Amino acid sequence: DAKTTQPNSMESNEEEPVHLPCNHSTISGTDYIHWYRQLPSQGPEYVIHGLTSNVNNRMASLAIAEDRKSSTLILHRATLRDAAVYYCILRDEAKTSYDKVIFGPGTSLSVIP
Amino acid sequence: DTGVSQDPRHKITKRGQNVTFRCDPISEHNRLYWYRQTLGQGPEFLTYFQNEAQLEKSRLLSDRFSAERPKGSFSTLEIQRTEQGDSAMYLCATADSYTDTQYFGPGTRLTVL
Repeated sequence: DAKTTQPNSMESNEEEPVHLPCNHSTISGTDYIHWYRQLPSQGPEYVIHGLTSNVNNRMASLAIAEDRKSSTLILHRATLRDAAVYYCILRDEAKTSYDKVIFGPGTSLSVIP
Repeated sequence: DTGVSQDPRHKITKRGQNVTFRCDPISEHNRLYWYRQTLGQGPEFLTYFQNEAQLEKSRLLSDRFSAERPKGSFSTLEIQRTEQGDSAMYLCATADSYTDTQYFGPGTRLTVL
């Protein structure tokens, strides 16, 4: 499975945008970029995913580099509830059967009031 | 609340005892995954069920671990003769066959004394 690299930790001020980077230089053509986050004492939750084009949903935006070797999760206005560990994951959508999620250590985001 | 429930949320046991955890999936989800998470690490895959069939087991799942999913609905994970190294958060995730977006439960935190 292709690997991702993320900073161990980041800080943001409340109500400011947050850009969480992810490098995935060995990404294959059929790998989708998924983001999950894990709030304290909870299980991970799905945030967003994309293949080539930038994606937006109610939680966040995903900006994907043209060469697909990196991507950025964007939280437009950080709130204290966004303090969590954010995982960037590659999932091969070409697989016709199931695909377990392989998590790295993620980025621990702290939000400062 | 993702719709995936786990019971119990916390379990403290003495070394050598057996423990059993339960996961109730989102009703229409036929895929069920178990993960284990230790402090400061991302979740690690343990095993996968498609309906009632256990299709993959990680090498992390020693002989002391057994999982079942009778009738393809809820699942149980049993650990026999617990060891201190089994202390971790045990997470269940479920998905449908179309998107395979995994929805995680809140986890069961096991402490082995």
